[in-house]
Amino acid sequence: GNSVTQMEGPVTLSEEAFLTINCTYTATGYPSLFWYVQYPGEGLQLLLKATKADDKGSNKGFEATYRKETTSFHLEKGSVQVSDSAVYFCALSPGGGNKLTFGTGTQLKVEL
Amino acid sequence: GAGVSQSPSNKVTEKGKDVELRCDPISGHTALYWYRQSLGQGLEFLIYFQGNSAPDKSGLPSDRFSAERTGGSVSTLTIQRTQQEDSAVYLCASSLASGDTDTQYFGPGTRLTVL
Repeated sequence: GNSVTQMEGPVTLSEEAFLTINCTYTATGYPSLFWYVQYPGEGLQLLLKATKADDKGSNKGFEATYRKETTSFHLEKGSVQVSDSAVYFCALSPGGGNKLTFGTGTQLKVEL
Repeated sequence: GAGVSQSPSNKVTEKGKDVELRCDPISGHTALYWYRQSLGQGLEFLIYFQGNSAPDKSGLPSDRFSAERTGGSVSTLTIQRTQQEDSAVYLCASSLASGDTDTQYFGPGTRLTVL
């Protein structure tokens, strides 16, 4: 079946540090890949997505590239801010399907 | 415009009681999804509605769980004879149409606590 594996948190960084949150997946076919973010006290929001191999999703300074050869979709940001503190979820949707399969989430804490 | 809304925001119930959770999707969205977020299981898909098609119930954990969507809009998730393991945050999402490239917009969730 489909599955998503993310690095465990919490990840604690200083402001302006470089961020990487690893995500790998297992799926049949050609899934679409997503990063969702959950800020404290808020609902899940789509951060970025990529629908085919080698696509790069980007938003708010975050980027992730769909790597089919390594079945990965790592999230990166060059310089994090305190306001980026949140839980980040990697997810996939199988080709032709609609259900999202989520990773366990990675909590990011950014300190001054 | 208004986002996905869910009610109640919090629900505390006793083991064995039935509960109903409500979801109002974004107006015009034809697809509606229910997920569950719990400490032990993470985020899990429960059920999916698309227009007038039969719902995809493949994620429902037991026959105590059911959901309906009236008039292609509001949805209700019902849990009968609640158990402590049902304690979780129940999330509803909607999207404009089906297809894995359509963005799912999530509501704030209903936190269910079964005592």
